[in-house]
Amino acid sequence: GQQVMQIPQYQHVQEGEDFTTYCNSSTTLSNIQWYKQRPGGHPVFLIQLVKSGEVKKQKRLTFQFGEAKKNSSLHITATQTTDVGTYFCAGPPRGGGADGLTFGKGTHLIIQP
Amino acid sequence: KAGVTQTPRYLIKTRGQQVTLSCSPISGHRSVSWYQQTPGQGLQFLFEYFSETQRNKGNFPGRFSGRQFSNSRSEMNVSTLELGDSALYLCASRSNRNTEAFFGQGTRLTVV
Repeated sequence: GQQVMQIPQYQHVQEGEDFTTYCNSSTTLSNIQWYKQRPGGHPVFLIQLVKSGEVKKQKRLTFQFGEAKKNSSLHITATQTTDVGTYFCAGPPRGGGADGLTFGKGTHLIIQP
Repeated sequence: KAGVTQTPRYLIKTRGQQVTLSCSPISGHRSVSWYQQTPGQGLQFLFEYFSETQRNKGNFPGRFSGRQFSNSRSEMNVSTLELGDSALYLCASRSNRNTEAFFGQGTRLTVV
C-alpha cells in the first residue's frame, strides 16, 4: 500500500535560517496536502497541491509538487520563532479508498533564537 | 462558524475498560475522519464516515469502531483498552473529498 515518508524527522535551525522538509511517496499521488501543528495544538491546513510540478507560495513558505507527483517539499525562508511546530504532508489514503489521509510522520522544526 | 468540537478533552481509563469519544464537525460538513496520534507513529488514520456510512478504514484492530449520526456527529469507541492505546485522538471534518481537513483539539486518552 501507499506510504508517505517524510524527512528529516527533526530540524534545528537558528532563527533567520532557511528550512526545508521533504515528502516522498511510493506511489503517484493525486494530490498532496501540508499541515502545521504547533506544540500542544492540532494540525492546521496550510495548502493543497494538485498539479504536476506545481509551486505555490505563502509569504515565506514555498510548496512544490514533483513532476512525477511522488514527492513534495516545503521550504521556509528566514525562519521566525512563530514557525516552530511539526509540519506534516498528507496524501490520499492507502488501500485505494477515497477518503481519509495518509500522513507522513512529520518534521519537527526547532528554532534557536 | 464553529470549528470541530471534540469531547472530552482529557480522559484516563484503566486497562480493559472501554471508552467513547465524540466529535461534532463543522456545520454542513458530512465527512468525519478519526486519527490516532502518538509520538512514535505520528498521525495514523482510523476511519472515515460520510452521511452515516463508513467509507474507509485504517489498519487498526476491531477493538476500534465508530459511527456517525444523521446530524453528522461522530463517535469512536475503543473496547478492552490496552496501554498502547494511550494517544491523542483527533477528529477532522471535511466538506467533501480532496478538500482541506479541519481538525478538532483532540481527546488525550491515557490508559493506566
